Amino acid sequence: QVQLVQSGAEVKKPGASVKISCQASGDIFTKYYIHWVRQAPGQGLEWMGIINPNGGATRYAQKFQGRVTMTSDTSTSTVYLDVSSLRSEDTAIYYCARDFVVVPPTIKEIADYYYYGLKVWGRGTSISVSS
Amino acid sequence: DIQMTQSPSSLSASVGDRVTITCRASQGISNYLAWYQQKPGNIPKLLIYVASTLQSGVPSRFSGSGSGTDFTLTINSLQPEDVGTYYCQKMRGGPLTFGGGTTVEI
Repeated sequence: QVQLVQSGAEVKKPGASVKISCQASGDIFTKYYIHWVRQAPGQGLEWMGIINPNGGATRYAQKFQGRVTMTSDTSTSTVYLDVSSLRSEDTAIYYCARDFVVVPPTIKEIADYYYYGLKVWGRGTSISVSS
Repeated sequence: DIQMTQSPSSLSASVGDRVTITCRASQGISNYLAWYQQKPGNIPKLLIYVASTLQSGVPSRFSGSGSGTDFTLTINSLQPEDVGTYYCQKMRGGPLTFGGGTTVEI
Protein backbone atom coordinates (compact mmCIF):
# COMPACT_ATOMS: atom_id res chain seq x y z
CA GLN A 1 0.00 0.00 0.00
CA VAL A 2 1.45 3.31 -1.10
CA GLN A 3 1.86 5.81 1.69
CA LEU A 4 3.36 9.21 2.26
CA VAL A 5 4.28 9.60 5.91
CA GLN A 6 4.88 13.13 7.10
CA SER A 7 6.80 14.43 10.10
CA GLY A 8 5.15 15.84 13.19
CA ALA A 9 3.77 19.23 14.03
CA GLU A 10 6.08 22.22 14.43
CA VAL A 11 5.75 25.45 16.38
CA LYS A 12 8.04 28.27 15.31
CA LYS A 13 8.61 31.94 15.99
CA PRO A 14 8.43 34.55 13.23
CA GLY A 15 11.66 34.77 11.32
CA ALA A 16 12.66 31.19 12.02
CA SER A 17 13.02 28.35 9.52
CA VAL A 18 11.44 24.92 9.50
CA LYS A 19 12.20 21.72 7.65
CA ILE A 20 9.53 19.03 7.40
CA SER A 21 9.68 15.63 5.77
CA CYS A 22 7.59 13.27 3.69
CA GLN A 23 8.68 9.63 3.46
CA ALA A 24 7.31 7.39 0.73
CA SER A 25 6.68 3.69 1.16
CA GLY A 26 5.04 0.94 -0.80
CA ASP A 27 6.37 1.90 -4.21
CA ILE A 28 9.58 2.99 -5.89
CA PHE A 29 10.32 6.46 -4.53
CA THR A 30 11.71 7.94 -7.72
CA LYS A 31 8.78 6.91 -9.91
CA TYR A 32 6.65 9.96 -9.10
CA TYR A 33 6.97 13.69 -8.69
CA ILE A 34 6.14 14.91 -5.19
CA HIS A 35 4.08 18.05 -4.75
CA TRP A 36 3.71 20.25 -1.69
CA VAL A 37 0.35 21.86 -0.96
CA ARG A 38 -0.59 23.93 2.06
CA GLN A 39 -3.88 24.86 3.68
CA ALA A 40 -4.20 27.73 6.14
CA PRO A 41 -6.84 27.36 8.87
CA GLY A 42 -10.30 27.54 7.33
CA GLN A 43 -8.85 28.32 3.92
CA GLY A 44 -8.43 26.56 0.60
CA LEU A 45 -5.61 24.55 -0.92
CA GLU A 46 -2.49 26.32 -2.16
CA TRP A 47 0.04 24.61 -4.45
CA MET A 48 3.60 25.41 -3.41
CA GLY A 49 5.78 23.47 -5.79
CA ILE A 50 7.04 20.16 -7.05
CA ILE A 51 10.18 18.04 -6.90
CA ASN A 52 11.42 15.20 -9.06
CA PRO A 53 13.05 12.86 -6.51
CA ASN A 54 15.05 11.38 -9.39
CA GLY A 55 17.73 14.04 -9.58
CA GLY A 56 16.15 16.71 -7.41
CA ALA A 57 14.80 19.11 -10.04
CA THR A 58 12.26 21.51 -8.59
CA ARG A 59 9.69 24.05 -9.66
CA TYR A 60 8.19 26.51 -7.19
CA ALA A 61 5.14 28.72 -7.27
CA GLN A 62 6.37 32.29 -7.74
CA LYS A 63 4.93 33.28 -4.37
CA PHE A 64 7.38 30.95 -2.63
CA GLN A 65 10.47 31.49 -4.77
CA GLY A 66 13.47 32.28 -2.61
CA ARG A 67 11.83 31.26 0.64
CA VAL A 68 11.08 27.60 0.04
CA THR A 69 13.46 24.76 -0.79
CA MET A 70 12.45 21.22 -1.69
CA THR A 71 15.02 18.46 -1.55
CA SER A 72 15.05 14.69 -1.75
CA ASP A 73 17.05 11.84 -0.26
CA THR A 74 16.71 8.69 -2.31
CA SER A 75 18.54 6.59 0.32
CA THR A 76 15.62 7.11 2.73
CA SER A 77 12.85 7.71 0.17
CA THR A 78 12.22 11.07 1.76
CA VAL A 79 11.52 14.52 0.43
CA TYR A 80 11.93 17.65 2.50
CA LEU A 81 10.30 21.06 2.52
CA ASP A 82 12.33 23.88 4.01
CA VAL A 83 10.56 27.19 4.64
CA SER A 84 12.59 30.16 5.82
CA SER A 85 11.71 33.60 7.22
CA LEU A 86 8.49 32.27 8.66
CA ARG A 87 5.63 34.66 9.31
CA SER A 88 2.23 34.23 10.89
CA GLU A 89 0.63 33.82 7.45
CA ASP A 90 2.63 30.60 7.02
CA THR A 91 0.57 28.95 9.75
CA ALA A 92 -1.04 26.06 7.90
CA ILE A 93 -1.16 22.34 7.32
CA TYR A 94 1.45 21.33 4.79
CA TYR A 95 0.71 18.28 2.64
CA CYS A 96 2.93 16.28 0.38
CA ALA A 97 1.15 14.50 -2.45
CA ARG A 98 1.91 12.60 -5.59
CA ASP A 99 0.27 11.99 -8.93
CA PHE A 100 -0.69 8.55 -10.22
CA VAL A 101 1.38 8.97 -13.38
CA VAL A 102 4.74 7.25 -13.43
CA VAL A 103 7.71 9.34 -14.50
CA PRO A 104 10.20 7.42 -16.66
CA PRO A 105 13.61 7.03 -14.99
CA THR A 106 15.28 8.88 -17.86
CA ILE A 107 13.34 12.05 -16.99
CA LYS A 108 15.36 14.20 -14.60
CA GLU A 109 13.49 17.45 -15.09
CA ILE A 110 10.01 18.69 -14.19
CA ALA A 111 7.81 18.07 -17.23
CA ASP A 112 4.16 19.06 -17.50
CA TYR A 113 2.97 15.81 -19.02
CA TYR A 114 3.62 13.81 -15.87
CA TYR A 115 0.92 15.33 -13.73
CA TYR A 116 -2.78 14.62 -14.07
CA GLY A 117 -4.13 14.50 -10.53
CA LEU A 118 -2.81 14.16 -6.97
CA LYS A 119 -3.93 10.70 -5.97
CA VAL A 120 -1.86 9.94 -2.86
CA TRP A 121 -1.65 12.45 -0.01
CA GLY A 122 0.23 12.51 3.25
CA ARG A 123 -1.75 13.20 6.43
CA GLY A 124 -0.26 16.68 6.64
CA THR A 125 2.16 18.49 8.95
CA SER A 126 0.89 21.41 10.99
CA ILE A 127 3.21 24.40 11.17
CA SER A 128 2.22 27.10 13.61
CA VAL A 129 4.07 30.42 13.55
CA SER A 130 3.53 32.64 16.55
CA SER A 131 5.53 34.94 18.77
CA ASP B 1 -0.42 33.16 -14.12
CA ILE B 2 -3.73 31.49 -14.92
CA GLN B 3 -6.36 32.01 -12.24
CA MET B 4 -8.98 29.41 -11.32
CA THR B 5 -12.36 30.68 -10.13
CA GLN B 6 -14.97 28.41 -8.64
CA SER B 7 -18.63 29.15 -8.14
CA PRO B 8 -20.58 29.14 -6.02
CA SER B 9 -18.35 29.39 -2.96
CA SER B 10 -20.94 27.44 -1.01
CA LEU B 11 -24.26 25.77 -1.56
CA SER B 12 -26.90 23.93 0.37
CA ALA B 13 -28.91 21.17 -1.25
CA SER B 14 -31.12 18.27 -0.28
CA VAL B 15 -30.40 14.58 -0.42
CA GLY B 16 -31.15 13.37 -3.92
CA ASP B 17 -30.60 16.76 -5.56
CA ARG B 18 -28.39 17.28 -8.56
CA VAL B 19 -25.55 19.65 -7.69
CA THR B 20 -23.36 21.51 -10.19
CA ILE B 21 -20.10 23.28 -9.36
CA THR B 22 -18.35 25.49 -11.89
CA CYS B 23 -14.64 26.14 -12.34
CA ARG B 24 -13.41 28.79 -14.75
CA ALA B 25 -9.83 29.29 -15.91
CA SER B 26 -8.64 32.76 -16.87
CA GLN B 27 -6.98 31.23 -19.94
CA GLY B 28 -7.55 27.98 -21.79
CA ILE B 29 -6.11 24.87 -20.20
CA SER B 30 -7.46 22.28 -22.64
CA ASN B 31 -8.83 19.49 -20.45
CA TYR B 32 -6.02 19.42 -17.90
CA LEU B 33 -8.21 19.84 -14.86
CA ALA B 34 -8.64 17.75 -11.74
CA TRP B 35 -11.37 17.80 -9.10
CA TYR B 36 -10.92 16.94 -5.43
CA GLN B 37 -13.23 16.37 -2.50
CA GLN B 38 -12.16 17.28 1.01
CA LYS B 39 -14.46 16.11 3.76
CA PRO B 40 -14.33 18.00 7.07
CA GLY B 41 -11.16 17.12 8.97
CA ASN B 42 -9.85 14.93 6.16
CA ILE B 43 -7.22 15.09 3.47
CA PRO B 44 -8.22 15.85 -0.14
CA LYS B 45 -9.31 12.99 -2.37
CA LEU B 46 -8.90 12.92 -6.12
CA LEU B 47 -12.28 12.50 -7.84
CA ILE B 48 -11.73 13.33 -11.49
CA TYR B 49 -8.80 14.02 -13.80
CA VAL B 50 -8.48 15.33 -17.34
CA ALA B 51 -11.78 17.06 -16.72
CA SER B 52 -14.03 14.04 -17.08
CA THR B 53 -12.26 10.79 -16.16
CA LEU B 54 -13.49 9.32 -12.90
CA GLN B 55 -10.77 8.12 -10.56
CA SER B 56 -11.09 4.42 -9.71
CA GLY B 57 -13.42 3.81 -6.78
CA VAL B 58 -15.24 7.13 -7.03
CA PRO B 59 -19.04 6.71 -7.15
CA SER B 60 -20.58 7.12 -10.58
CA ARG B 61 -22.89 9.89 -9.35
CA PHE B 62 -19.87 12.17 -9.74
CA SER B 63 -19.10 13.43 -13.22
CA GLY B 64 -17.02 16.14 -14.81
CA SER B 65 -17.16 17.99 -18.08
CA GLY B 66 -15.68 20.93 -19.90
CA SER B 67 -12.64 22.01 -21.83
CA GLY B 68 -10.75 25.21 -22.44
CA THR B 69 -11.84 27.66 -19.77
CA ASP B 70 -15.13 26.33 -18.41
CA PHE B 71 -15.56 23.16 -16.39
CA THR B 72 -18.25 21.62 -14.25
CA LEU B 73 -18.42 18.99 -11.54
CA THR B 74 -21.84 17.41 -11.18
CA ILE B 75 -23.08 15.28 -8.33
CA ASN B 76 -26.19 13.39 -9.37
CA SER B 77 -28.37 12.45 -6.44
CA LEU B 78 -26.49 14.10 -3.60
CA GLN B 79 -25.79 11.83 -0.64
CA PRO B 80 -25.12 12.76 3.01
CA GLU B 81 -21.52 11.55 2.68
CA ASP B 82 -20.90 14.07 -0.11
CA VAL B 83 -20.77 16.95 2.39
CA GLY B 84 -17.44 18.71 2.11
CA THR B 85 -15.45 21.16 0.06
CA TYR B 86 -14.67 20.59 -3.60
CA TYR B 87 -11.65 22.04 -5.38
CA CYS B 88 -10.60 22.19 -8.99
CA GLN B 89 -6.91 22.30 -9.94
CA LYS B 90 -5.27 23.09 -13.25
CA MET B 91 -2.73 20.44 -14.19
CA ARG B 92 -0.72 22.15 -16.92
CA GLY B 93 1.19 25.31 -17.66
CA GLY B 94 2.88 27.08 -14.79
CA PRO B 95 1.77 26.81 -11.19
CA LEU B 96 -0.82 24.11 -10.56
CA THR B 97 -3.33 26.53 -9.10
CA PHE B 98 -6.37 25.41 -7.17
CA GLY B 99 -9.75 27.05 -7.32
CA GLY B 100 -11.01 28.68 -4.14
CA GLY B 101 -13.29 25.77 -3.26
CA THR B 102 -17.01 25.13 -3.07
CA THR B 103 -18.49 23.96 0.21
CA VAL B 104 -21.45 21.62 -0.15
CA GLU B 105 -23.89 21.29 2.73
CA ILE B 106 -27.09 19.38 3.18
